[in-house]
Amino acid sequence: GEEVAQTPKHLVRGEGQKAKLYCAPIKGHSYVFWYQQVLKNEFKFLISFQNENVFDETGMPKERFSAKCLPNSPCSLEIQATKLEDSAVYFCASSPQQGMGTEAFFGQGTRLTVV
Amino acid sequence: AQTVTQSQPEMSVQEAETVTLSCTYDTSENNYYLFWYKQPPSRQMILVIRQEAYKQQNATENRFSVNFQKAAKSFSLKISDSQLGDTAMYFCAFVSAGGTSYGKLTFGQGTILTVHP
Repeated sequence: GEEVAQTPKHLVRGEGQKAKLYCAPIKGHSYVFWYQQVLKNEFKFLISFQNENVFDETGMPKERFSAKCLPNSPCSLEIQATKLEDSAVYFCASSPQQGMGTEAFFGQGTRLTVV
Repeated sequence: AQTVTQSQPEMSVQEAETVTLSCTYDTSENNYYLFWYKQPPSRQMILVIRQEAYKQQNATENRFSVNFQKAAKSFSLKISDSQLGDTAMYFCAFVSAGGTSYGKLTFGQGTILTVHP
């Protein structure tokens, strides 16, 4: 598609429940990024993929967070046993391959509320 | 590691006036890109303007222009003829041009801009 599509727009989970977020990058883009925007508006990088391979996972809290980008499927970000502090807006972005510009195109975000 | 600093948490401007948002960054890299993103209440991230570090000429997009000072590591955004629709949070962002940090954006803290009628 011509835009990054994130689903769902809103997600409410009880503390301890699992949350799964989805992202369909722009067709032809090789890179996918996940960012977490907390209530203070600060962006935190979580993980990036080059096609289906993890490219950079230095921002991932590995105990409860996992992510995948499988061929012919939307990318996903999963949070096991959610905590109150996971409440945030999660953005997905995609970029074309290296050497073709580094502009990141953002989806509209998924607002996760943990209660 | 790169850092991006926006020292103005909030700014306000009258409609039709000009306003400048500040951004400084720190990096040891030579090839990189800088961006200004706009985030209105809808929270959609909208690219406002982009600057390649190897270009000396400041980028311009209609009413938006930047003052890029590479030696000083400064990247300010000037909005001319401000419009009510410019009211939003503005983020300055840095990205490496290659290597293992490719595409990974480092954001500043954001500046809330309010345009008054």
